[in-house]
Amino acid sequence: DAKTTQPNSMESNEEEPVHLPCNHSTISGTDYIHWYRQLPSQGPEYVIHGLTSNVNNRMASLAIAEDRKSSTLILHRATLRDAAVYYCILRKSGGYQKVTFGTGTKLQVIP
Amino acid sequence: DGGITQSPKYLFRKEGQNVTLSCEQNLNHDAMYWYRQDPGQGLRLIYYSQIVNDFQKGDIAEGYSVSREKKESFPLTVTSAQKNPTAFYLCASSTSGTKHTEAFFGQGTRLTVV
Repeated sequence: DAKTTQPNSMESNEEEPVHLPCNHSTISGTDYIHWYRQLPSQGPEYVIHGLTSNVNNRMASLAIAEDRKSSTLILHRATLRDAAVYYCILRKSGGYQKVTFGTGTKLQVIP
Repeated sequence: DGGITQSPKYLFRKEGQNVTLSCEQNLNHDAMYWYRQDPGQGLRLIYYSQIVNDFQKGDIAEGYSVSREKKESFPLTVTSAQKNPTAFYLCASSTSGTKHTEAFFGQGTRLTVV
C-alpha cells in the first residue's frame, strides 16, 4: 500500500489560515487522497478528498500537486474547534478499499 | 438519522476474560472496519469486512476475532489471547462499490482491562 508522510505537529494562530502538508510519493493512479480529522476521544470525521484537481468544501480546501506526490489541506481561518489530529490517507477507487491510517498531524490552535 | 453506533462507550473487564464490542450501522454500507488506537498513536487496522460472511485480517489481528452475519453488524471480540487489550477501539464503514465515498466512524469504545 502507498504510504503518506505528515509532520507530527503544527501550530496556528486563531483566525489565520493553516496549511497542512502530506507527502505521498508512491501514490498510484487509482489512489484518492482523503483527509480526516479526529477530535480528542472521538472517532475520526471526514474532511475532504480528491483525485487530481483541487477541491473545496465548507470545511476546507485540498490542493493537490501536479505530480500528485504531495497535497495540502487548507483551513482558511483556523478556530479553536479545528484543534485536532489530521490524517492524510490514500484510498483506491472502485471496489473494496482497505483503509489504513498513519499517525497524522496534531494541530494546535493558539487563541 | 443514518450513522454508525458503537456500544458501550466505556468498558471495563478483568484480565483473562473475553469481551465483545458492538458496532452497528444503518448506512447500508457493505464494508466495515475495526481499528485500535493507543494514546498518542494513529489508528491500526484489526479486521475488515467487504461483504456479509466475509472478513479479512488487518495489521494487528492476533488476539481478536470478528463475525459478519448481518450487513448492519460487525462485532469485535477481544480474547484473552490479546496481550495488551486496553485501548480505544473504533469501528468504521464505507461503501465498497464503484462510487467513491468517505468512511464513517463511530464514537469509539474505550476498553480498560484490569
